[in-house]
Amino acid sequence: NAGVTQTPKFRILKIGQSMTLQCTQDMNHNYMYWYRQDPGMGLKLIYYSVGAGITDKGEVPNGYNVSRSTTEDFPLRLELAAPSQTSVYFCASSRANRGGGLQPQHFGDGTRLSIL
Amino acid sequence: GQNIDQPTEMTATEGAIVQINCTYQTSGFNGLFWYQQHAGEAPTFLSYNVLDGLEEKGRFSSFLSRSKGYSYLLLKELQMKDSASYLCAAGTGGGYNKLIFGAGTRLAVHP
Repeated sequence: NAGVTQTPKFRILKIGQSMTLQCTQDMNHNYMYWYRQDPGMGLKLIYYSVGAGITDKGEVPNGYNVSRSTTEDFPLRLELAAPSQTSVYFCASSRANRGGGLQPQHFGDGTRLSIL
Repeated sequence: GQNIDQPTEMTATEGAIVQINCTYQTSGFNGLFWYQQHAGEAPTFLSYNVLDGLEEKGRFSSFLSRSKGYSYLLLKELQMKDSASYLCAAGTGGGYNKLIFGAGTRLAVHP
């Protein structure tokens, strides 16, 4: 039962460097999400996707980019790392809603990113 | 604007009952979710409510009043392993399951 898998688990970047956080899910979920969680704060939605080729901005998209070329993968790209992007990043996925019911999101274990 | 409020910290005794409250003001509200998050780990889904009333799942129950913008999570027969943060999240954004999270309530269970 892999579920949602995120890599890497930890990373230290220098200011101005770029990197891609990987996320893959094996549950055939249509919807995928990226969140960041700062200490003592709730999760903030960065970007989300409702299917391959479709992405949209969440609450805090600035400084990030995403793509969704397959149902399984939803990578998050940081182009010019800044200290304000030091955070824990969580990827999540869910089924599409059907018949008025809601579907819970399933989370990966997170990537702990420090920008120095 | 979008706003979710829940207490920052709570303490309780093993075997007792604790109620964690959550109030919300969000546009496009379509349901209220509760997640548990142990320190350094991912959030895990506990319960959700779409309609007013109580949903019971074993030791955990969740209540929703849409007219009051209010929900609570009730934990019974507390165990030490229930020490964690409990995140209240309002569903919004139509059918896309977008969630607005509160900052979480850190629950400490003592012997």
